[in-house]
Amino acid sequence: QVHLVQSGAEVKKPGASVKVSCKASGYTFTTYYIHWVRQAPGQGLEWMGMINPSGATTTYAQKFQGRVTMTTDTSTSTVYMGVSSLRSEDTAVYYCTREGWNGLNFWYFDLWGRGTLVTVSS
Amino acid sequence: SSELTQDPAVSVALGQTVKITCQGDSLRRYYASWYQQKPGQAPILVIFGKNNRPSGIPDRFSGSSSGNTASLTITGAQAEDETDYYCSSRDSSGNHVIFGGGTKLTVL
Repeated sequence: QVHLVQSGAEVKKPGASVKVSCKASGYTFTTYYIHWVRQAPGQGLEWMGMINPSGATTTYAQKFQGRVTMTTDTSTSTVYMGVSSLRSEDTAVYYCTREGWNGLNFWYFDLWGRGTLVTVSS
Repeated sequence: SSELTQDPAVSVALGQTVKITCQGDSLRRYYASWYQQKPGQAPILVIFGKNNRPSGIPDRFSGSSSGNTASLTITGAQAEDETDYYCSSRDSSGNHVIFGGGTKLTVL
């Protein structure tokens, strides 16, 4: 069985940082990119960025450049996503998801973690 | 372009056919993927590529694409299909992922 298991909910104060983990199992970890997508309460899905677990190369959405860091630990098949300088607008469920690609003109997210709720409140 | 546009809400009578659309310039170059998300749950992939369904997705779900518009069609909508649907693709550069704003489907 393939899984992405995320760390538990977090409550942080404005200005603090948070680090969410996503542990992969049931497949070859370095074969698939991992993306992070967040969803604020009552809102839609928002792409944050991606990491190649093989070479640890990253691409971030412009909105999150400088504030988000994605890293990988191949020894434990785990991806980490950190957000700094948290503000109330960062309150959201954060999902990790695995990317599939046909090598040409379509991508898809075929495996999702259950999500990690991050609440930013004073 | 870096936007995908979806109708915020669509309704369909039980057992009828409904099409949910997604528009964006990047869809002229890349296929969309479609996700179903029920309240409190992670999204699940329902359609990807030209018209591919993951294992376990009912065959009443299908996808199509023409020009800058991708469509998700549900043929014979069921009560359990009432939920939110999102399209996604790459932006025109191919380097970033974009999502549509989502469509809330109501089955009457």
